[in-house]
Amino acid sequence: ILNVEQSPQSLHVQEGDSTNFTCSFPSSNFYALHWYRWETAKSPEALFVMTLNGDEKKKGRISATLNTKEGYSYLYIKGSQPEDSATYLCAPPRTNTGNQFYFGTGTSLTVIP
Amino acid sequence: GAVVSQHPSRVICKSGTSVKIECRSLDFQATTMFWYRQFPKQSLMLMATSNEGSKATYEQGVEKDKFLINHASLTLSTLTVTSAHPEDSSFYICSARANDRGNSPLHFGNGTRLTVT
Repeated sequence: ILNVEQSPQSLHVQEGDSTNFTCSFPSSNFYALHWYRWETAKSPEALFVMTLNGDEKKKGRISATLNTKEGYSYLYIKGSQPEDSATYLCAPPRTNTGNQFYFGTGTSLTVIP
Repeated sequence: GAVVSQHPSRVICKSGTSVKIECRSLDFQATTMFWYRQFPKQSLMLMATSNEGSKATYEQGVEKDKFLINHASLTLSTLTVTSAHPEDSSFYICSARANDRGNSPLHFGNGTRLTVT
């Protein structure tokens, strides 16, 4: 089992605030890093798939960076909105197969209007 | 595109009975499907990886005879919880990939809430 940690576990921010959280994973034999958003009563949805050290992805107000050498990825949300409230999960696939995904504990974000 | 349908969304069964959960990829062929379980206030725990036409790969600690997985076609995988007991009550969710490349994301079903009485 791959040890994937996310911090913080939960976060409450005011609407309009910017926020960020972290995904940490073993840096050896990196393959890829996936971020997912899981809203209540919905299924998890892929946000970003990152494969290169130094990679930076952006989708609207949400962006993510990746550091494979030190084993972490940051997810940033600029100007949080209530619809951003969700649990954000990261998952690096296991390297030897590249095809088994172990999810982190998740960061639960609540944006207060 | 890339829709995964999971049924049923909720099921209540009596202890000792078996329950089958279906996971279908509706608009793509899934070479690999994954089954996860979520315990209260915890993240998704990988139970097994299911490859079409071959035996599933189970994670350590997951009983193969308890959680039967069948991936008979490129669009359907099933998880059968055999002789269910109250401790099997949980949220089960499947996901599928269109290919095994590193940049290919997972597409999830809506999950199944199993309650064993």
